[in-house]
Amino acid sequence: ETGVTQSPTHLIKTRGQQVTLRCSSQSGHNTVSWYQQALGQGPQFIFQYYREEENGRGNFPPRFSGLQFPNYSSELNVNALELDDSALYLCASSGGQGGETQYFGPGTRLLVL
Amino acid sequence: QQQVKQSPQSLIVQKGGIPIINCAYENTAFDYFPWYQQFPGKGPALLIAIRPDVSEKKEGRFTISFNKSAKQFSLHIMDSQPGDSATYFCAASAPLGNEKLTFGTGTRLTIIP
Repeated sequence: ETGVTQSPTHLIKTRGQQVTLRCSSQSGHNTVSWYQQALGQGPQFIFQYYREEENGRGNFPPRFSGLQFPNYSSELNVNALELDDSALYLCASSGGQGGETQYFGPGTRLLVL
Repeated sequence: QQQVKQSPQSLIVQKGGIPIINCAYENTAFDYFPWYQQFPGKGPALLIAIRPDVSEKKEGRFTISFNKSAKQFSLHIMDSQPGDSATYFCAASAPLGNEKLTFGTGTRLTIIP
């Protein structure tokens, strides 16, 4: 059984640019959630995708958007990057026989200069 | 508004001791309370989780104690080892259809030999 994978592992962007982060869910999972973890903080819920539809969103502006594909992999897109967007972006998958338990990937470390 | 308060922020315990990390929540709709362990540069890994219908749950050296009336829960680590040194997060979710996790702010635990 393959765990949750994310790419890239690290990324450096400049303010105003756009970024796309990718996540492959764990085998058998149909739900993907994205979280932002600022340094020294707990993860903050961005949004969740269930069977290719957005299924709940946290307190993040519309420039944070996402997609889920038929194979349940997912993308997080952030437009007009700001310095405060620098963080670890975590993807978690759940569903199937695992139920609500969320399993996290290793994250993508984004630095905005 | 922080819905899950976690303490202490950091904790140093000697090997073999029992570190205790506490969390308190406000939202009475929460019905699932997981604990995650996170090592530097890694994603959070699920340790143990509990529901409000039980007051205690043990898995290996990890125990959750749950007090529904006080809206508090805690993690105990028995026979702590230097390899347990990590950041621990409590979290909670409500059955609102997307099971988003609300995390505490984290406890940095150091086990000294």
